[in-house]
Amino acid sequence: DADVTQTPRNRITKTGKRIMLECSQTKGHDRMYWYRQDPGLGLRLIYYSFDVKDINKGEISDGYSVSRQAQAKFSLSLESAIPNQTALYFCATSDLQQGADTQYFGPGTRLTVL
Amino acid sequence: GDSVTQMEGPVTLSEEAFLTINCTYTATGYPSLFWYVQYPGEGLQLLLKATKADDKGSNKGFEATYRKETTSFHLEKGSVQVSDSAVYFCALSDPYTGANSKLTFGKGITLSVRP
Repeated sequence: DADVTQTPRNRITKTGKRIMLECSQTKGHDRMYWYRQDPGLGLRLIYYSFDVKDINKGEISDGYSVSRQAQAKFSLSLESAIPNQTALYFCATSDLQQGADTQYFGPGTRLTVL
Repeated sequence: GDSVTQMEGPVTLSEEAFLTINCTYTATGYPSLFWYVQYPGEGLQLLLKATKADDKGSNKGFEATYRKETTSFHLEKGSVQVSDSAVYFCALSDPYTGANSKLTFGKGITLSVRP
């Protein structure tokens, strides 16, 4: 079984809809991250969490919110989806001891907003 | 702020060709440097890393040397295979930011290897 799982893997939705992307991990890591990947732009950090009570904004948090329900679960929400949020979204985890050095990525969620 | 610059892509090579992918960085302190690889349909995975100047990271035939004087971390492989076709990301983690360190990624470059 994969250590970092994301659901759904693909989602098509309409402008204005609320969407939740979920991430679960079995690695026992404290730190979790949400990124989006766009062609030609690489990966950009949306939000990150260093433990259950800690949530931090990344470089592109506008239009997104997150919830760290447990050490193993970190959800990303789009309250009112818009077309320029169409992207590939990745969840990642890292170990506190290693800091950000080695991150383990999920398989990604491809989101299309029409 | 911290930044990572990768050469423009895509790159297409024939099998067994020599590969170089350039990466330069800007950071406040002395960062740790990484190459991550993304195979088609998958998430990123760590390929190699180097944590201090003159260190060489290596894995799966790939190598990169941390060059402080040129602020570079170029990825090389002597003989690429079709299975190396993927997107490659250079990244850094700046210890100057302490416990709150995060990864800063370059834009990535797509490598295609022809049989």
